Amino acid sequence: GAVVSQHPSRVICKSGTSVKIECRSLDFQATTMFWYRQFPKQSLMLMATSNEGSKATYEQGVEKDKFLINHASLTLSTLTVTSAHPEDSSFYICSASKPGQPNTGELFFGEGSRLTVL
Amino acid sequence: AQSVAQPEDQVNVAEGNPLTVKCTYSVSGNPYLFWYVQYPNRGLQFLLKYITGDNLVKGSYGFEAEFNKSQTSFHLKKPSALVSDSALYFCAVRALISSGSARQLTFGSGTQLTVLP
Repeated sequence: GAVVSQHPSRVICKSGTSVKIECRSLDFQATTMFWYRQFPKQSLMLMATSNEGSKATYEQGVEKDKFLINHASLTLSTLTVTSAHPEDSSFYICSASKPGQPNTGELFFGEGSRLTVL
Repeated sequence: AQSVAQPEDQVNVAEGNPLTVKCTYSVSGNPYLFWYVQYPNRGLQFLLKYITGDNLVKGSYGFEAEFNKSQTSFHLKKPSALVSDSALYFCAVRALISSGSARQLTFGSGTQLTVLP
């Protein structure tokens, strides 16, 4: 298998502040990482695809200025929720696939980050 | 467009009994199918996948799934359920279209499996 680490696992912040979530592939280089949002008892909603060294590709309806994604290295992608509001409270999960297996390979997921905006 | 349906939000089964979690899919190309499991407040863990070959796929923790092209299904099964199998299960599909490029992985809505002692 492969290990994807996500940090922090839980974060509580005040409305209006910005929060950064890190996603690291620990034992492989991930040229592509994915960011998902999950509401309680619901499926994962793909927010954006993060490509190393280039701009992220956002899904329709996801505000790119609100959810800033940076993939500066082959092992690190970050999601910054800017000017967070209570409706941004959610469970955010990152994932990555191993190089050479973009289609047939399974995704490796981080542990998720629970964001609570007061 | 590609989609995945998990018709049951909740499945309850007694420990020791066989379990089935249903999944049907819709794609325009050949499907790559996956099952993942999620424990509370955790990320998803890979269970198994179907890419090609034998329609019966065996995966982690004694789980298996059968690819049925005519019924466009990929049901998850286990012969004897354990209490520790209680979790949220997601089916996912990715289609490889003729141009060789891949589409995004699409997840089903999830099925909460509860194994009763």
